[in-house]
Amino acid sequence: ETGVTQSPTHLIKTRGQQVTLRCSSQSGHNTVSWYQQALGQGPQFIFQYYREEENGRGNFPPRFSGLQFPNYSSELNVNALELDDSALYLCASSSASEGLGEQYFGPGTRLTVT
Amino acid sequence: AQTVTQSQPEMSVQEAETVTLSCTYDTSENNYYLFWYKQPPSRQMILVIRQEAYKQQNATENRFSVNFQKAAKSFSLKISDSQLGDTAMYFCAFMKGRVSGGYNKLIFGAGTRLAVHP
Repeated sequence: ETGVTQSPTHLIKTRGQQVTLRCSSQSGHNTVSWYQQALGQGPQFIFQYYREEENGRGNFPPRFSGLQFPNYSSELNVNALELDDSALYLCASSSASEGLGEQYFGPGTRLTVT
Repeated sequence: AQTVTQSQPEMSVQEAETVTLSCTYDTSENNYYLFWYKQPPSRQMILVIRQEAYKQQNATENRFSVNFQKAAKSFSLKISDSQLGDTAMYFCAFMKGRVSGGYNKLIFGAGTRLAVHP
């Protein structure tokens, strides 16, 4: 297992609500990436945070936002939830200066929007 | 834009046998990395093997090896001596080479579901 943790494990929300997902990165890693994995599909890149700033973004609307804290942990916030936001949300940590920048994933948060 | 294609939605193999999972990708980049990730039913994505595009030698990690054909843009995974614990979704992923200050996202294929039978 990696040293990346995520909370909560499961979450059920109603359409229109807001949700916050949390991620603690592996020791020594300063970069956190978030991915959305719809059922039966590969993960899709949402955004990446480095040095507490968004460092790159995929094709997701602004209602998907994030934060990175000085200890490199991170949050993913989703506003105005839609049914299509139901998915497994994965965070991955990496080092900006070591190795290939390969990413190590947490166990994910399963979000269900009803 | 880069794309990753896994043309085998499902594969099955008998325990102790060998299986090969296919992956092709499209890119105009010359510096990039390729990965195979395993996602068991427990959901946690686990890095299986990695390949730097500038290396001609195919990567090997114990029972896992790749056949990297750069000109053909092909990156297949061979699992030898398959074990029941190899049952999982397998994702092929592409990442552009590191750029100072730039971000490095993974681009995943749709995955191949592998079932290992006793």
